[in-house]
Parts: sequence; C-alpha cells; structure tokens
Amino acid sequence: DIQMTQSPSSLSASVGDRVTITCRATQTITNFLNWYQQKPGKAPKLLIYSSSTLQSGVPSRFSGSGSGTDFTLTISSLQPEDLATYYCQQSYSTPPTFGQGTKLEIK
Amino acid sequence: EVRLVESGGGLVKPGGSLRLSCAASGFTFSSKSMNWVRQAPGKGLEWVSSISGRSNYIYYAGSVKGRFTISRDNAKNSMYLQMNSLRAEDTAVYYCARDMGPDSSSLDYWGQGTLVTVSS
Repeated sequence: DIQMTQSPSSLSASVGDRVTITCRATQTITNFLNWYQQKPGKAPKLLIYSSSTLQSGVPSRFSGSGSGTDFTLTISSLQPEDLATYYCQQSYSTPPTFGQGTKLEIK
Repeated sequence: EVRLVESGGGLVKPGGSLRLSCAASGFTFSSKSMNWVRQAPGKGLEWVSSISGRSNYIYYAGSVKGRFTISRDNAKNSMYLQMNSLRAEDTAVYYCARDMGPDSSSLDYWGQGTLVTVSS
C-alpha cells in the first residue's frame, strides 16, 4: 500500500496568513493526489483533485501543486471559516490511502 | 443536487452484524463508482470498500476483507455494506462517497455519515 505522510500534523495561524501543508507519498503517484477539508462534526469536502484542480465552488485562496511524491496545499490568505482538518489522499492505486490529517487552528 | 444519505448504523455486540445503506439522488447512479470510507472517533479517514457502476469491480481494505460485503442496486439508487463478525475496532462513522471518475478517482460527494458502535 502507498503511505501518505502530511506535515505538520497541526498548525496555528492568524487570519490573513499564508498557510502551507505538505503531503508525501512513499512512491510516485503522478498527479493522483486529492485534498479534503473536514470541519468539526461534518463530512469531508473535496477541495482539490488531480493535485492542482480546484473543485467547483471552492474559494480561489486554496491551491494545490506537486507531482510524483511531493505535494502542497496552500491557503493564500487564511479566513476564520478555514478552521478544519485537511487530508490528502492518493487515488493512484488501490487501496486509496489518506494522510493522517493536518489540524488547522486560527490564532 | 447530488445527495447521499446513509442509514443503518447503531450499537452492535462484538461478533454481530449490521447492514448499512446509502441512498443516492441527483445524478445517474449507475454511471458512478461508489465508496465506503470510515472514521474512528477522533481519528483520520480510512477507505473501506468500493464498487464500480455495474458491480463488476469490487475492492476491500485488508482490514475488512472477508467480513464486509459491498453491493449496490442501481434500480433503487442505493449502495449497501453488509458488515459481519464486527470488532471493537470497526467502531466508526461510516461515510458513503461518490467517485468523481476515472481521471482522478477523487471522492467528490459525501454523505453525512452513520455511526457504528461495536461494544458489549
């Protein structure tokens, strides 16, 4: 199975900050990398698929990049409603696997 | 509007069985692969199983293989997860999720989840 490792596991940032979360795969997954946002008590929501394609309706402050084994989710200007846990997921091979999550707190 | 609604969760004793359902609406159900993903209390997301639109491709996580069975009824726009020989470690919120498609295989729509608790 492909293992996905996110860093950091948690972070605290202020409104307006630029925030970056990284995700690393144990083998190449080309661009089959997806990002999800899960707000407390809610189901996950797809933010970005295929490494860098923004899902419809997702604010443009979210962006993704990377290919191969290393990927990044960036929030260009953090908003209060971005309080959530973020997960990366590889869909290159079965079983699809998730990172352990990055809990984002607002200072 | 795409909608996925899970049901069937509850409290069950170790070794028991439970059948989850996912009712879909707002899209052509038979054209999409579907998935079950679970989340243990306070933990991350774990993919459980997937089934293709015509049920010809079915996959399971190693942790549930041989105990869980995924199925679907396209005439009823529904997907199911039959869970047997349940263990305490199967305690989780179970989400059904739609596969966007072969170009990305991301999970673009999720239900609200149904809680399964395995405890004596």
